[in-house]
Amino acid sequence: QSALTQPRSVSGSPGQSVTISCTGTSSDVGGYNYVSWYQQHPGKAPKLMIYDVSKRPSGVPDRFSGSKSGNTASLTISGLQAEDEADYYCCSYAGSYTSVFGTGTKVTVL
Amino acid sequence: EVQLVQSGAEVKKPGESLKISCKGSGYSFTSYWIGWVRQMPGKGLEWMGIIYPGDSDTRYSPSFQGQVTISADKSISTAYLQWSSLKASDTAMYYCATRIASLTFDYWGQGTLVTVSS
Repeated sequence: QSALTQPRSVSGSPGQSVTISCTGTSSDVGGYNYVSWYQQHPGKAPKLMIYDVSKRPSGVPDRFSGSKSGNTASLTISGLQAEDEADYYCCSYAGSYTSVFGTGTKVTVL
Repeated sequence: EVQLVQSGAEVKKPGESLKISCKGSGYSFTSYWIGWVRQMPGKGLEWMGIIYPGDSDTRYSPSFQGQVTISADKSISTAYLQWSSLKASDTAMYYCATRIASLTFDYWGQGTLVTVSS
C-alpha cells in the first residue's frame, strides 16, 4: 500500500475556489466509492469533511464538495475563507478493512 | 455524543515497552471498528491498523505489521496500541479513531504524543 498522491500545496484568494487532487490506483481510489477528506489545523486532530466520495457530515459547510473519476478523487473548496487555511488529507478504503491516506496538501489563503 | 479519550503523553527510552489507550463512549463500542493513525513530527497521517472489538478481528497496514500490536478490552470500551521495544523513530502523535457512519474514520481522539529519546 503506497500513500495516495496529493499536491504539496494549493493557494487561492478569499472567495475563490481551489481543488485538491488525490491519485491512487484501482486497488484503492478507483476500486471503491469510499474516499474521504480530512481537514487538519496545526496542533489539532483531523476533522472529517467529506466521506463516501461526496457526502458531507452534519455541520460541514456546503462550500466543501468531493468527486471522483477513475483513480483520482478531488476536493473542491468554493468561496475560500481564511479559516479554510489548513492541511487536507484524502483517505481511501483499500480492501480487507484497511485504508490508506494521501500525502497531504497545504491550503493557503492569500 | 461519541467521544474517544486517549491516555496522556509519554516520554520513554529506546528499547522500552509502551501501551497507550483510547476509551470510547456514547456509542456501541463492540459494534464498530476502531483504529490508530500515526503522525510523525511535521509529517502526514499514516493509517496503522484497526480492530473490531466485538470479536477482536485486527487488520494492519503492511508498514506496521509486526511493529505494533492493536488490542481492545470490550469490558471497559478501551482500545490499545502497544510497542514491545520502542525506537526513536516511533516518536509521533498517535490518534485513535472509529468508523461509525462509513468505511472511514469519522470520530477521532485528541491524540497521544509519544516521545522516544535516550
